Amino acid sequence: NAGVTQTPKFQVLKTGQSMTLQCAQDMNHEYMSWYRQDPGMGLRLIHYSVGAGITDQGEVPNGYNVSRSTTEDFPLRLLSAAPSQTSVYFCASSSGTSESGELFFGEGSRLTVL
Amino acid sequence: AQSVTQLDSHVSVSEGTPVLLRCNYSSSYSPSLFWYVQHPNKGLQLLLKYTSAATLVKGINGFEAEFKKSETSFHLTKPSAHMSDAAEYFCVVRGYSSASKIIFGSGTRLSIRP
Repeated sequence: NAGVTQTPKFQVLKTGQSMTLQCAQDMNHEYMSWYRQDPGMGLRLIHYSVGAGITDQGEVPNGYNVSRSTTEDFPLRLLSAAPSQTSVYFCASSSGTSESGELFFGEGSRLTVL
Repeated sequence: AQSVTQLDSHVSVSEGTPVLLRCNYSSSYSPSLFWYVQHPNKGLQLLLKYTSAATLVKGINGFEAEFKKSETSFHLTKPSAHMSDAAEYFCVVRGYSSASKIIFGSGTRLSIRP
């Protein structure tokens, strides 16, 4: 099983450039989310989705855009990259029920903005 | 809305001594709670989860946590620390609703002294 597939693993951008981090899961999970991880700050929720066509903001949504056209895919778009967006990004998915709701993670994407 | 606070950013213990990592949560309804571990330069691994069944939850590698509603706490413990336990630990909360977002604490770095 592929689980959660996240690409690219590494990316270097210049300030002002745009890019999309791709995330796909094959577990038919309703819940998908994007986190950024910075030293000493844990994982902070950027955006999340509880089903196709439904997205909502997390703790740090500014500068990021998402859409959920299918159950499987949840891309994260950086519209105009800034050095403050240098981070490691994780995509994660979970079943929709709170009873079982552990997160399954992608391998992470290390983004550097110069 | 739910939130989670990890009370210690860094804990250092000697090998063979007990480990206590503290976590307090806030949630409007009965939450699901999780502990994840991240070893250096690795992904996140689920240690254990509480989903309204038994309040004392046993996880992998000898870790366990107790859900205390009256104290809104979900502390992680282990009777005897091993060198391999050195890692970053995250307490995570999810609200009862399937539409609830999943929020991470800021993490506790566990160091083990020989």
